[in-house]
Amino acid sequence: GQQLNQSPQSMFIQEGEDVSMNCTSSSIFNTWLWYKQDPGEGPVLLIALYKAGELTSNGRLTAQFGITRKDSFLNISASIPSDVGIYFCAGLYTGANSKLTFGKGITLSVRP
Amino acid sequence: NAGVTQTPKFQVLKTGQSMTLQCAQDMNHEYMSWYRQDPGMGLRLIHYSVGAGITDQGEVPNGYNVSRSTTEDFPLRLLSAAPSQTSVYFCASRRLAGGLAYEQYFGPGTRLTVT
Repeated sequence: GQQLNQSPQSMFIQEGEDVSMNCTSSSIFNTWLWYKQDPGEGPVLLIALYKAGELTSNGRLTAQFGITRKDSFLNISASIPSDVGIYFCAGLYTGANSKLTFGKGITLSVRP
Repeated sequence: NAGVTQTPKFQVLKTGQSMTLQCAQDMNHEYMSWYRQDPGMGLRLIHYSVGAGITDQGEVPNGYNVSRSTTEDFPLRLLSAAPSQTSVYFCASRRLAGGLAYEQYFGPGTRLTVT
């Protein structure tokens, strides 16, 4: 099935740094979701975006719905050790029965 | 409000055994789904349901069975376990329509090993 593109597979940053990750698709979506997965846990929803160009924040996290509707961005500011985990993007194109399309995720490591 | 719950958390099966992975949600969500997560493969959809009595296949349905007799529960059955079914299984749910329709929530997962 279709997958969203998330790269690189892993990112290593220093505590206190900002980090940006993006997610791209060849198809348009009208919903973008960002999840974080801690080791041994299920994905937890961080931010939901519903409108092209929309910018939404959740604490130190900010996500944007790309104007082309084919991409989305997640920024984490002033990273802390508990930001470590896998960050997934997911896209959905309308319709009640539509299925989410997921990226493979980016593993974020934060050096103290 | 417990959200999405799954049992068991861990399971070891022998090849050929059958078992049922349980999933329940208390958010009155119409849509429920099962995914498997394997290294390098991301999340792959196994089966989904848009309401009680309605189920459909996802990307990787072979070897799995589902039913949806109530809004709350969506069990996943492994008919005859194979080593290729060693994976982490996640159940998820969301509403079908309304303001937060597309916010999908996941359970904590079941880690299954088939020997």
